[in-house]
Amino acid sequence: GDSVTQMEGPVTLSEEAFLTINCTYTATGYPSLFWYVQYPGEGLQLLLKATKADDKGSNKGFEATYRKETTSFHLEKGSVQVSDSAVYFCGKQTGANNLFFGTGTRLTVIP
Amino acid sequence: ETGVTQSPTHLIKTRGQQVTLRCSSQSGHNTVSWYQQALGQGPQFIFQYYREEENGRGNFPPRFSGLQFPNYSSELNVNALELDDSALYLCASSTRGGIDTQYFGPGTRLTVL
Repeated sequence: GDSVTQMEGPVTLSEEAFLTINCTYTATGYPSLFWYVQYPGEGLQLLLKATKADDKGSNKGFEATYRKETTSFHLEKGSVQVSDSAVYFCGKQTGANNLFFGTGTRLTVIP
Repeated sequence: ETGVTQSPTHLIKTRGQQVTLRCSSQSGHNTVSWYQQALGQGPQFIFQYYREEENGRGNFPPRFSGLQFPNYSSELNVNALELDDSALYLCASSTRGGIDTQYFGPGTRLTVL
């Protein structure tokens, strides 16, 4: 069946540190892959996406590359800020217009 | 451009009661999806409505039902509430086939006592 496995949190980093949040998935075929971010008290916001193998999604300094050989879509940022503190969800497309999410990774960035 | 809105923000019910949650889709979007997010978990797909008809359903029992109206707004109804129904319920709107344009509302926090 469908699965999306994310690195367990919480993750605590100092400001300007490098961030990696691992995400792997199972799939039949090549689904579109996503990272969503949820700030405290808010709904999910699309952070970035990739629709085919070797695509790199990027936004606000975050990047993730669709790796079909390792079925991975790891999220990276070179220098995190306090404002990046949030919960990050990796997700994949399943069926038409439907998303399957991982359990989320809470990131806290300290000054 | 008006974003996705949901009402109410918070709701407290008792076991066995029924609840209706509401969602207004973003302007120009004709598809609404509902998700349940239990505490500490990722959102789980409940169902989707497109042009007033159910267009896909996740692994939820029939006591979870919905409606979509001609203006593309939507309702989620849950009958015979159980304690495990306590969660954040998220609505997302999109254009048909445009999964990358799925915009989420802020959610309704339901607590079942």
